[in-house]
Amino acid sequence: KAGVTQTPRYLIKTRGQQVTLSCSPISGHRSVSWYQQTPGQGLQFLFEYFSETQRNKGNFPGRFSGRQFSNSRSEMNVSTLELGDSALYLCASSFRRGQETQYFGPGTRLLVL
Amino acid sequence: AQTVTQSQPEMSVQEAETVTLSCTYDTSENNYYLFWYKQPPSRQMILVIRQEAYKQQNATENRFSVNFQKAAKSFSLKISDSQLGDTAMYFCAFIWSGSEKLVFGKGTKLTVNP
Repeated sequence: KAGVTQTPRYLIKTRGQQVTLSCSPISGHRSVSWYQQTPGQGLQFLFEYFSETQRNKGNFPGRFSGRQFSNSRSEMNVSTLELGDSALYLCASSFRRGQETQYFGPGTRLLVL
Repeated sequence: AQTVTQSQPEMSVQEAETVTLSCTYDTSENNYYLFWYKQPPSRQMILVIRQEAYKQQNATENRFSVNFQKAAKSFSLKISDSQLGDTAMYFCAFIWSGSEKLVFGKGTKLTVNP
């Protein structure tokens, strides 16, 4: 089975712009979670989607949003980018909700100038 | 609040030797899972091993094994016969029943020296 894929792998944006990141889960996986990784804050949970519905949200401002499509693919969007949004954004998928092992994609490296 | 603590920011080991990475966690939950993930310089987060809290037997995966002490809330990772390819950041993570979010420790940077 193919693993979790994320596109694009690298992105450079300027402050005030918006960005959309994409994640394709492992085939058959229905739960997709997003994490932000920075040197200062480490790995922080952004949100989780299951059956096209956001089920959980981390402590991030409303500029961070996402959605999930009927084929379980997910996108996350960050509007009005700030310098502090520079990070590695990781997507993870699991077969079901509830203590299932999450498998990670390679991440999207976002740099905000 | 659920927290995960990795007290060793950096460690090094000689090739072929054994190294143990420490992890403690804090939770009032009784039903949870613990994980060790590896993140090499390529940045891909890779699952190393997982442990169900209800299982007393320690999980093992080839050269990787854990020492799970539920009462002490401790979950250490032992890597035997270390290889150069084991060089990476290692993250301890925790997820509990009813939650979908992994809580990660800050990580331990492991360097395997030739």
